[in-house]
Amino acid sequence: GDSVTQMEGPVTLSEEAFLTINCTYTATGYPSLFWYVQYPGEGLQLLLKATKADDKGSNKGFEATYRKETTSFHLEKGSVQVSDSAVYFCALSDWNTGNQFYFGTGTSLTVIP
Amino acid sequence: KAGVTQTPRYLIKTRGQQVTLSCSPISGHRSVSWYQQTPGQGLQFLFEYFSETQRNKGNFPGRFSGRQFSNSRSEMNVSTLELGDSALYLCASSLPIYGLAGHSYEQYFGPGTRLTVT
Repeated sequence: GDSVTQMEGPVTLSEEAFLTINCTYTATGYPSLFWYVQYPGEGLQLLLKATKADDKGSNKGFEATYRKETTSFHLEKGSVQVSDSAVYFCALSDWNTGNQFYFGTGTSLTVIP
Repeated sequence: KAGVTQTPRYLIKTRGQQVTLSCSPISGHRSVSWYQQTPGQGLQFLFEYFSETQRNKGNFPGRFSGRQFSNSRSEMNVSTLELGDSALYLCASSLPIYGLAGHSYEQYFGPGTRLTVT
C-alpha cells in the first residue's frame, strides 16, 4: 500500500542555518506530493506541492523536488528563521486510491535565535 | 474565499457521552475528509465524504461516524466517548488537481476541534 516516511525529529537549528527534512514515499500509482506545516494550536497549512517527476514546489523560501527515481520529496530551506518553528508533514495523494491522503509522522522543527 | 471552518473549536465531554463536530468546507469543494491527531498516534485518517457519500474510511471503530449534507457541510459524531478519544479533530476540504497519471486532490485544513474527554 501507499505510505510516506519522513525523518524523525525533533530538529533544532540556529537561525539562518540550512534545513533539510527527508521524505520518501511508496505508491502504487503516480502520486502528487505535498508538504504541510502546522503551527502550534492550528490546523495544517499547505506549504508546497508537486504533481509530476522533476517538478519543484516552492513557497516562502522552502523548496522540494519530486524525485521519482529515488521516490523522494525532501524539504529544504536555505536560511531558517525563528518563525519557521513548526511541525512539517510530508504527504501524498495517489489517484489510484482516490482522495485518500497518506501523511508522514511529522517532523518538529525548532529554530533558536 | 473563506477557508475551512470547524465548530466548536474546543469541547470538554465526559466518558460515555456523545459529541458532534461540524465542518464547513471551502465554497465549491465537494470532498471533506476527517482526521484525528494525537501526540502518540500522529495524524490518522477517519473518513472522506464526497457528494454526500462516504468514499473512503480509515480503521476506526463504529463509534465514529460521519455524514455530509447537500451543501457539502459535514459532521462527524463520536458516541460512547472514551478517554482515548481526546484529540484534535481536523477537517479538510479538497480541490482536484491534475497530475501526470490523472487527477488527485490537494487538501485544505480547518483549525481543528480540540476534544477533551474526562
